[in-house]
Order: sequence, then C-alpha cells, then structure tokens
Amino acid sequence: ETGVTQSPTHLIKTRGQQVTLRCSSQSGHNTVSWYQQALGQGPQFIFQYYREEENGRGNFPPRFSGLQFPNYSSELNVNALELDDSALYLCASSRSGRAGDTQYFGPGTRLTVL
Amino acid sequence: AQSVSQHNHHVILSEAASLELGCNYSYGGTVNLFWYVQYPGQHLQLLLKYFSGDPLVKGIKGFEAEFIKSKFSFNLRKPSVQWSDTAEYFCAVTPDTGRRALTFGSGTRLQVQP
Repeated sequence: ETGVTQSPTHLIKTRGQQVTLRCSSQSGHNTVSWYQQALGQGPQFIFQYYREEENGRGNFPPRFSGLQFPNYSSELNVNALELDDSALYLCASSRSGRAGDTQYFGPGTRLTVL
Repeated sequence: AQSVSQHNHHVILSEAASLELGCNYSYGGTVNLFWYVQYPGQHLQLLLKYFSGDPLVKGIKGFEAEFIKSKFSFNLRKPSVQWSDTAEYFCAVTPDTGRRALTFGSGTRLQVQP
C-alpha cells in the first residue's frame, strides 16, 4: 500500500463518451502524475501536476485533460473516447517534482472502451 | 527525448537460479534510474533507484542494480530468485533537469518455477 488511491477500479464506456478518473495523493505529496498502461506495455506519461499547475505533458492529444485540487488530489478527463483508450490508467504521487523523488503509484483504473 | 529498452520480454527461471534483467536507456544528459515491480494483482512498487553516488544500488527483497554510465545501462540482479519474485519488472528513467516524468521500458515478465 502506497497511500495513493484511485477511483473507480473498473469502468466500461462506449466510443465517443467522456470519462473522469480520480486520484488521491499520498499525504505530504504535492505532485501527481498520470500514466496510461496499455496491455503488455510499460506505462506512458500523460501529464504531471505540481501545486495545481500542469508541469509537463506527454504525447497525448488535448482530449486528455486534467486538474489538481488544493488538497493535491487530481482528476484525469478523457473526451471523445476511442477504442485505443482502453488501458490501465495509473496515478502516481511524489513529494515534489525534484530529481530523485520517488513516484508512488496507485492501483490504477481499468478503462474499457467498447 | 529519452527512451528505455528492456531486452528480455519473458524470462523463466527455476527457484535459486540467478537473475539478471537488462535495461538500456537513451539520453544525452544526467539521469535518474528506477526499477519498479508489479506483482500479480498488485500496483507498481519501487524496487530500487539511482540518482547519484555509488553506482551499485541495493533495493528491497535482495535486488540490486548497477549503473554503468559508459554503457547507458542499469541492469537488475538477484543472486537467487524465489517463487514469490514472479512478477513484471519495469526499468524507468527520468532526466535530472526539466520535466521529471518517468519513461518506462516495455517490461520483463519473470516467471519463477518452484
């Protein structure tokens, strides 16, 4: 257990719909990163939030968006869902965005797009 | 942009055998290096990390890794594996400056037979 929680655990949506995934960071952590892990692959970085500001973004289209709240919890929103968005979405929190900081991962949300 | 290669996709060992999983990265600057493990049904957990100092890093559960800068490598080793080491292992890198998102390799599935 890392203290990072995610909800929901599983989600099934259809193409074109929108989805919101939630993450609560570990106590004392102000940085949250989101990753997408497709089946059989390593996690791919989506974006990172540091003190409520986006602090970097991976190679994902604008329909992937996020928020970080004053308590440092975070949301990942995906609009206009596509079949390829089916994946495990991982949230990770860290104490700060500094070098060497360990990112602690939550259990993930399994999204299936039909 | 950085990238990570894990050469062994699936490794099968008998208990007590020695383990070495390869990891090479591509990046021109200073990096921080990580090995994460994902046990069946569990979330990603940090095994060990390197960000400076002694290039031989010891982690949890008897794992160690050696950073060889000239070879851009960070191989994971364990002298004697146990059935409970059955899991997926991911090598990851983050640059020492700029965006500190993790770039993961595609993972190595380790199966330890009793």
